[in-house]
Amino acid sequence: QITLKESGPTLVKPTQTLTLTCTFSGFSLSTSGVGVGWIRQPPGKALEWLALIYWDDDKRYSPSLKSRLTITKDTSKNQVVLTMTNMDPVDTATYYCAHRRGGYNSFDYWGQGTLVTVSS
Amino acid sequence: QSVLTQPPSVSAAPGQKVTISCSGSSSNIGNNYVSWYQQLPGTAPKLLIYENNKRPSGIPDRFSGSKSGTSATLGITGLQTGDEADYYCGTWDSSLSAFWVFGGGTKLTVL
Repeated sequence: QITLKESGPTLVKPTQTLTLTCTFSGFSLSTSGVGVGWIRQPPGKALEWLALIYWDDDKRYSPSLKSRLTITKDTSKNQVVLTMTNMDPVDTATYYCAHRRGGYNSFDYWGQGTLVTVSS
Repeated sequence: QSVLTQPPSVSAAPGQKVTISCSGSSSNIGNNYVSWYQQLPGTAPKLLIYENNKRPSGIPDRFSGSKSGTSATLGITGLQTGDEADYYCGTWDSSLSAFWVFGGGTKLTVL
């Protein structure tokens, strides 16, 4: 049974760096083809894909946010970490992590999400 | 504005059928598999369709997907009030550097 859970601060100040952790179970990020992605959703708005890291440490980023994002993995801890620099109130959103099944370009399991508010 | 275009809203009566379109380009839908997600109010998205037309285990066959050229379509038959949700399409975009894209979402109202 695959589960994912996001954790991190609920409130950050403008210009600060956000660090979010996705802790997962039920799969290994060292299995060929597997990936973990981050997706966010501002209140009342659409989903926005942020980043994805693969089992082989290949990383993909949203072109519009690439300069602010870093995604890393710790296979031994079953964790994926996303950092986003220079936070702004427009970055207020629910942040989700999701599992990408090996060989299938889709996100088949999602975490519950964590709401991050950017405010001074 | 999303790279993938969906209608903001659709509606139909219980028991009826509805379709939701997702329009893209050759760099995304035209050359990659499409997946669809259902987001019930206040919950995380859930995978409904992958690889254009396949349903994960547990997804009823009332939900179907198709793709033609640079467009994809989600179909829902036998509408139920519990189907009221936001629906998103998603796929890879292979232009320049590969990245994932979601559509702008479609709000389904079951009248």
